[in-house]
Amino acid sequence: DAGVTQSPTHLIKTRGQHVTLRCSPISGHKSVSWYQQVLGQGPQFIFQYYEKEERGRGNFPDRFSARQFPNYSSELNVNALLLGDSALYLCASLTGTGYEQYFGPGTRLTVT
Amino acid sequence: GQQVMQIPQYQHVQEGEDFTTYCNSSTTLSNIQWYKQRPGGHPVFLIQLVKSGEVKKQKRLTFQFGEAKKNSSLHITATQTTDVGTYFCATQGGSEKLVFGKGTKLTVNP
Repeated sequence: DAGVTQSPTHLIKTRGQHVTLRCSPISGHKSVSWYQQVLGQGPQFIFQYYEKEERGRGNFPDRFSARQFPNYSSELNVNALLLGDSALYLCASLTGTGYEQYFGPGTRLTVT
Repeated sequence: GQQVMQIPQYQHVQEGEDFTTYCNSSTTLSNIQWYKQRPGGHPVFLIQLVKSGEVKKQKRLTFQFGEAKKNSSLHITATQTTDVGTYFCATQGGSEKLVFGKGTKLTVNP
């Protein structure tokens, strides 16, 4: 079985631009969570979606938005990028009933 | 909201030495999860502890949850170079989100 996949792997953007990151969960998993991990820190929760509904939102500005599609894949969108948005963006897949989070390899975003 | 503090921030050991990282909270935790992140990699789930005083073992790794459910520890016996990475504790912070500590970065000298 394929694990969680994320695209792109790396991305370089300029301040003010917007970015879309994509995630495909493990087959059969209906829940996806997004995390931001700044270098040297633990992952910080951004969003969780289950069955296309937002289940939780972290302390991030409205520039961050996400959605989940009928096939359970998900997109994270960030508008008006700031230098401080440079980070590793992780997607985690959950069954929806279990507690274990399976993380994808992440997207490394650099904002210049 | 829920917060977990981890100590130490860094730990360097000689191969074969033991290693322990601690996770502390000022409030009672519903659960503790432990993750390992290799350099350049992503967090990988190790275990979840739920019960007061719970102790679980995975080969050379021993996980404990405190009696008051306010602290937890991860102990590695006889470290190996494959143990290198950052170890994070995390707890359910409400509305399905996981709250992570800042992690303990372990380096092992062969």
